[in-house]
Amino acid sequence: DTEVTQTPKHLVMGMTNKKSLKCEQHMGHRAMYWYKQKAKKPPELMFVYSYEKLSINESVPSRFSPECPNSSLLNLHLHALQPEDSALYLCASSQVGGPVTQYFGPGTRLLVL
Amino acid sequence: DAKTTQPPSMDCAEGRAANLPCNHSTISGNEYVYWYRQIHSQGPQYIIHGLKNNETNEMASLIITEDRKSSTLILPHATLRDTAVYYCIVRGLAGGTSYGKLTFGQGTILTVHP
Repeated sequence: DTEVTQTPKHLVMGMTNKKSLKCEQHMGHRAMYWYKQKAKKPPELMFVYSYEKLSINESVPSRFSPECPNSSLLNLHLHALQPEDSALYLCASSQVGGPVTQYFGPGTRLLVL
Repeated sequence: DAKTTQPPSMDCAEGRAANLPCNHSTISGNEYVYWYRQIHSQGPQYIIHGLKNNETNEMASLIITEDRKSSTLILPHATLRDTAVYYCIVRGLAGGTSYGKLTFGQGTILTVHP
């Protein structure tokens, strides 16, 4: 099973709202990732977690707050977003070390009004 | 991680082989070549990866030149469902400051025609 699930599939939020995106995998992977993809652009890395600890933050604004409560779950908390943050948010997971292969979820399509 | 260059778009007739090229002339000895694809509005899907030798799996074949400066992804019998953006990515082993990072280029839009 190489499935990564993400909820919700679609999300519409106002600039003053607080919302969370959720990602789950049961492949035993200990690395998890958040990517952001704008329309007609390639995905861009936001965060990497390894063994539930934040390993990489690609200078993402603080209105995006990641959380990894356990080895299977990854959250992205959203607060005071801007319309330009509207995008497809992708979660991925992989083994740790070696020529790792990342497996992606279907994404959450976010619209900020 | 080394930079890759891919044609922006390609066409292929259904049932024929699709050969997608990728140049990675600055690849270093410990960097792997990965291929992913992204069908419209879905998450990227892993296809195949290789280091030096040619690789084949149930989805595709990966041919890497002897000098490792370029590679070709081959979909042997393309179907309409293979229409997608195909990304060629070069990266080293996970670890260090580049830990876990996949850097996507613009990719190749492959359109399979009936």
